[in-house]
Amino acid sequence: AQKITQTQPGMFVQEKEAVTLDCTYDTSDQSYGLFWYKQPSSGEMIFLIYQGSYDEQNATEGRYSLNFQKARKSANLVISASQLGDSAMYFCAMREILRTGNQFYFGTGTSLTVIP
Amino acid sequence: NAGVTQTPKFQVLKTGQSMTLQCAQDMNHEYMSWYRQDPGMGLRLIHYSVGAGITDQGEVPNGYNVSRSTTEDFPLRLLSAAPSQTSVYFCASSELGRRTQYFGPGTRLTVL
Repeated sequence: AQKITQTQPGMFVQEKEAVTLDCTYDTSDQSYGLFWYKQPSSGEMIFLIYQGSYDEQNATEGRYSLNFQKARKSANLVISASQLGDSAMYFCAMREILRTGNQFYFGTGTSLTVIP
Repeated sequence: NAGVTQTPKFQVLKTGQSMTLQCAQDMNHEYMSWYRQDPGMGLRLIHYSVGAGITDQGEVPNGYNVSRSTTEDFPLRLLSAAPSQTSVYFCASSELGRRTQYFGPGTRLTVL
């Protein structure tokens, strides 16, 4: 079974609008972390936001927020007020702490295009 | 701090050749890992290490070897390169626990 599922291969959003990128995860571990990374066309991996499995509040970092629904095992990324520079690949990832000794798992990514 | 460094940035090999991709970090991180990225596949874990002298296999370890003799360095060895190993390779490091990884800039490898 896939540990991380991103069902949207590509998304389009109008500049200045908000967009939600979906991510669901599968784990039996009680202690885990959820992450989102951005990969622009230049290829580097940029860390955006983190949510811990014990955190009750949704994480926010500037224009990024993580909509964490633990019972549904979803960790969607919300980007508010999209900018042209947000056009990139976005990867959701999970780190299991107890079950697999800190191993990370990545989804297949969502390509976001911001339209002027 | 240089963060995570990888060399080389680009490499072309012939089938059957061997080589080592270098990875180093200066953040004293216990955890280091190697991934390969192929179109449509996301990042797949090759090998990882939770400390010097400790390594383990990830999802796609075949054809690759690693060792971790120091905290700073985590080289990835291709024993006998095959065209299926054409990919972009990323090294990453982090503290243990619920912490993010920091990625190197990647190595683009082509095997002819």
